Amino acid sequence: QVQLVESGGGVVQPGMSLRLSCAASGFSFGSYTMHWVRQAPGKGLEWVAVISYDGSNKDYADSVKGRFTISRDKSKNTLFLQMISLRTEDTALYYCARDPDSYSGSLHYLDYWGQGTLVTVSS
Amino acid sequence: SELTQAPSVSVSPGQTASITCSADKLGDKNTCWYQHKPGQSPVLVIYQNSQRPSGIPERFSGSNSGNTATLTISGTQAMDEADYYCQAWDTSTAVFGAGTKVTVL
Repeated sequence: QVQLVESGGGVVQPGMSLRLSCAASGFSFGSYTMHWVRQAPGKGLEWVAVISYDGSNKDYADSVKGRFTISRDKSKNTLFLQMISLRTEDTALYYCARDPDSYSGSLHYLDYWGQGTLVTVSS
Repeated sequence: SELTQAPSVSVSPGQTASITCSADKLGDKNTCWYQHKPGQSPVLVIYQNSQRPSGIPERFSGSNSGNTATLTISGTQAMDEADYYCQAWDTSTAVFGAGTKVTVL
């Protein structure tokens, strides 16, 4: 069965960095577009970033552009989110999610989600 | 572009709940819906405006026309109490609505 397991969250000070991982299993990871989505405490879902099946195309929410980098390692079936210059407003539960559509498609829905990893940015 | 959702909807058990999501020309886009319960991961309940993933009960249905997409829960059950988010794709970025809390009274 499809499984997505996030890790790497923790408590960091503003300005510091963190790298999140999402280990995928139960499907052909290298064939799927993948996303990161976050939810701040008491807030709604916020899309963060997307990466194409082969890693050649990426895009980001304006709120993280220039600070976050999405990447993937097909050999390890793992998705990453490198976060630098973290701010208190980046505090959230971070989910990775699978997207059956191609990067250039127009459907883009998230059919499987991980359980999330919590990032807390606080001094 | 922003997707506008009402903050909350209340429904009696067995009745129909309608949750709307609005944006300019939203009907020209593919919209999907997620159910999110506290402490759990979001679950896709509708994709491509009206398609129901495997395992989602038939009481969940969707439509999208003009400026409004609608998620309808027919014969609402207590287990349907959750936050519901619409989502669409807009020029290489995904956009979520702010979410609607459905309370089953």
